[in-house]
Amino acid sequence: GAVVSQHPSWVICKSGTSVKIECRSLDFQATTMFWYRQFPKQSLMLMATSNEGSKATYEQGVEKDKFLINHASLTLSTLTVTSAHPEDSSFYICSARHPWTGNTEAFFGQGTRLTVV
Amino acid sequence: QKEVEQNSGPLSVPEGAIASLNCTYSDRGSQSFFWYRQYSGKSPELIMSIYSNGDKEDGRFTAQLNKASQYVSLLIRDSQPSDSATYLCAVGATVGGGNKLTFGTGTQLKVEL
Repeated sequence: GAVVSQHPSWVICKSGTSVKIECRSLDFQATTMFWYRQFPKQSLMLMATSNEGSKATYEQGVEKDKFLINHASLTLSTLTVTSAHPEDSSFYICSARHPWTGNTEAFFGQGTRLTVV
Repeated sequence: QKEVEQNSGPLSVPEGAIASLNCTYSDRGSQSFFWYRQYSGKSPELIMSIYSNGDKEDGRFTAQLNKASQYVSLLIRDSQPSDSATYLCAVGATVGGGNKLTFGTGTQLKVEL
């Protein structure tokens, strides 16, 4: 399967600071990447769709000014959690659609465990 | 009403048995269906995809799709302890010109020795 790398795998930050998470497609170009958030014992909730060269599309209820997404190249999307608070502590996961699969199947990065203290 | 529903489990099966995981979805326009395996603390891993009615087999895994009943299932034959994980059903549909996946809450599978 296609390889999607996410970094860092875990991060602890102080309340009020910002954290940047990177998502890279290593062996294919991804015009579209997705950012999810998963709280314990819950399913993945789509936060936003990241489109290369254009603005991200945010899901209802997700603050675009708090969760900044940049997709500057075909292999890299970043999610910045600004002014993080303890309630932002969660497991953040990115995914990318592989063009050879008709842009349907999604391959996930390893996830980033964010803890805000 | 949830868009993709799964029994949360846990579903316990003995080693070597067949594990049957079920999923129903509400959007009749859904076009693609996936099963992901997620180990605790890890991200989901794609194990099966299915797009048309019927069965699709890959090794010990068989996905079954019935669009009329809006039902998709995953069978795991010869279950192993390493199969113990949460299995997420995901359904894809075209929304606003883009393809969007909606996930169920997952079924926890426990394969017992």
